[in-house]
Amino acid sequence: NAGVMQNPRHLVRRRGQEARLRCSPMKGHSHVYWYRQLPEEGLKFMVYLQKENIIDESGMPKERFSAEFPKEGPSILRIQQVVRGDSAAYFCASSPRTDYTEAFFGQGTRLTVV
Amino acid sequence: DQQVKQNSPSLSVQEGRISILNCDYTNSMFDYFLWYKKYPAEGPTFLISISSIKDKNEDGRFTVFLNKSAKHLSLHIVPSQPGDSAVYFCAAPNTGNQFYFGTGTSLTVIP
Repeated sequence: NAGVMQNPRHLVRRRGQEARLRCSPMKGHSHVYWYRQLPEEGLKFMVYLQKENIIDESGMPKERFSAEFPKEGPSILRIQQVVRGDSAAYFCASSPRTDYTEAFFGQGTRLTVV
Repeated sequence: DQQVKQNSPSLSVQEGRISILNCDYTNSMFDYFLWYKKYPAEGPTFLISISSIKDKNEDGRFTVFLNKSAKHLSLHIVPSQPGDSAVYFCAAPNTGNQFYFGTGTSLTVIP
């Protein structure tokens, strides 16, 4: 029973490029959450998705960021035209339902924008 | 707007002694609190939680205390072990599905 899988673990992008971060939830989990950790800060909520639906995207920047969780395949966090300030660790968590104690986190993707 | 705060960025404790990590919150609507532990290059892992109907929850060496009137919670680890060295985050979910995380406290347990 594999845990939450995120890939890539490390991603380097030049300013202006696109970044795609993938998250495969645990088997049987239909709820996915994305969090971002900026240097010296705690984790900040970005978006909550269920299969094919964005439930809460109140933490997503208004521009350049989008997320999806298709019927088949992993959840994708997409950042267009990356800037240096996007450099952070991005964590995905999944849960089988809206139950906080059962949200399991992946190992994260560290995005570096150069 | 930091609704969950951890004012101590780091803490060093001798092995075998008690570690006390503190967390304050501002939103009186929070009714559930969690502590997560995070090692470098790994995701946070759930450690222990407490509901607002309790003032204490214990799990082995870990105990969380909640003081609702002070909007304060603390995590006690006793006895502390070198393997406990990690960053500890407190978190609280809102009525939606967001967790508000503190900025973390880096615990170092000295052998």
